[in-house]
Amino acid sequence: GAVVSQHPSWVICKSGTSVKIECRSLDFQATTMFWYRQFPKQSLMLMATSNEGSKATYEQGVEKDKFLINHASLTLSTLTVTSAHPEDSSFYICSALGLVGRVDEQFFGPGTRLTVL
Amino acid sequence: GENVEQHPSTLSVQEGDSAVIKCTYSDSASNYFPWYKQELGKGPQLIIDIRSNVGEKKDQRIAVTLNKTAKHFSLHITETQPEDSAVYFCAAQESNFGNEKLTFGTGTRLTIIP
Repeated sequence: GAVVSQHPSWVICKSGTSVKIECRSLDFQATTMFWYRQFPKQSLMLMATSNEGSKATYEQGVEKDKFLINHASLTLSTLTVTSAHPEDSSFYICSALGLVGRVDEQFFGPGTRLTVL
Repeated sequence: GENVEQHPSTLSVQEGDSAVIKCTYSDSASNYFPWYKQELGKGPQLIIDIRSNVGEKKDQRIAVTLNKTAKHFSLHITETQPEDSAVYFCAAQESNFGNEKLTFGTGTRLTIIP
């Protein structure tokens, strides 16, 4: 199946710093990628939909100036958490939309655990 | 928007027995229903999915059923094994071109008792 990678797998940073997380589709091109956030023992919550070459679409309640998304190529989307604070600590997961046969399917990355001190 | 409810939140099953997890959705326009398995510290992995033009799909020990009239779908795992222990999420999606957003259920923590 299609493979999606994330880097880094975990990161610890100080409050007030910015952190960039990369999401790559390794063996397919993805015009659409999604970014999710998952708090401990909770479900995945969609943060934004990232389309290659255009601005991301953010879900209600997600601050676009705090969570900057750049989808500069068909295989790479980045999420930058700006001025991170402890409440931003979470598990961030991306997915990429790929064509399987004649239908689209979301392939998920392994996630990035962010801890803000 | 879509709302997906999932039950139970936790489930313990003796090894070899069957496990059933149920989900309901609210948006009748949803037509794609995947199930994901998530192990600790990892991203979700698709284990089976069903589209609205079929009522049941089976893949070895795993099966999914869909009742569009009642707006519910279920995951069935037979002959459970310890490696089936994980958190399982259902999801629903309205596959309109350019709007393929998944709405996830709240998850079920499945524990297989050896």
